[in-house]
Amino acid sequence: NAGVTQTPKFQVLKTGQSMTLQCAQDMNHNSMYWYRQDPGMGLRLIYYSASEGTTDKGEVPNGYNVSRLNKREFSLRLESAAPSQTSVYFCASSERDKRNQPQHFGDGTRLSIL
Amino acid sequence: AQKITQTQPGMFVQEKEAVTLDCTYDTSDPSYGLFWYKQPSSGEMIFLIYQGSYDQQNATEGRYSLNFQKARKSANLVISASQLGDSAMYFCAMRELMNTGFQKLVFGTGTRLLVSP
Repeated sequence: NAGVTQTPKFQVLKTGQSMTLQCAQDMNHNSMYWYRQDPGMGLRLIYYSASEGTTDKGEVPNGYNVSRLNKREFSLRLESAAPSQTSVYFCASSERDKRNQPQHFGDGTRLSIL
Repeated sequence: AQKITQTQPGMFVQEKEAVTLDCTYDTSDPSYGLFWYKQPSSGEMIFLIYQGSYDQQNATEGRYSLNFQKARKSANLVISASQLGDSAMYFCAMRELMNTGFQKLVFGTGTRLLVSP
């Protein structure tokens, strides 16, 4: 049972470099999400994809782009990394329109930007 | 305004004792849901329990139960018979309707629980 798989698990970048974080789920979920987790701030939504072919901004979208490649995959791209983007990034998925269904999370990507 | 408030940055409990982790929320949506997640030191987010606003009974899942007080807008997590493996960060989250019609989760800042032998 893979669930939600994120790659890579760790990454160090220099300021200005670009990078794509990959996420894939095998639960046939329609909806996928990207969060960032910073100390003392809980998880904040960056972007989400309600269903294949759609993406929308969340709470903190600046500096990021996303692609919903297909139903399984949802990637997050940092075009020009900044130290403020040092964080732990989580991908999640869920059934759409099922109120009592939780979001299932990947194990996270720990990203450091120097 | 903060939608989810967890006022306890850290809690300590002895093994086999019960512990309550507090969560209060603010919403004007009559149909909402509340989730609790556990994040151990390894970092993954593990779903524990769900409570819907229209649910008549408090949710229970094994050693986890929710003390849901709708009028007070609180949804406290109760862990009975604590185990060393319960040491982790615990997050309360609320399902919120966005202006796109889609629902998202809003998370609290978490409570770190330490279970001692």
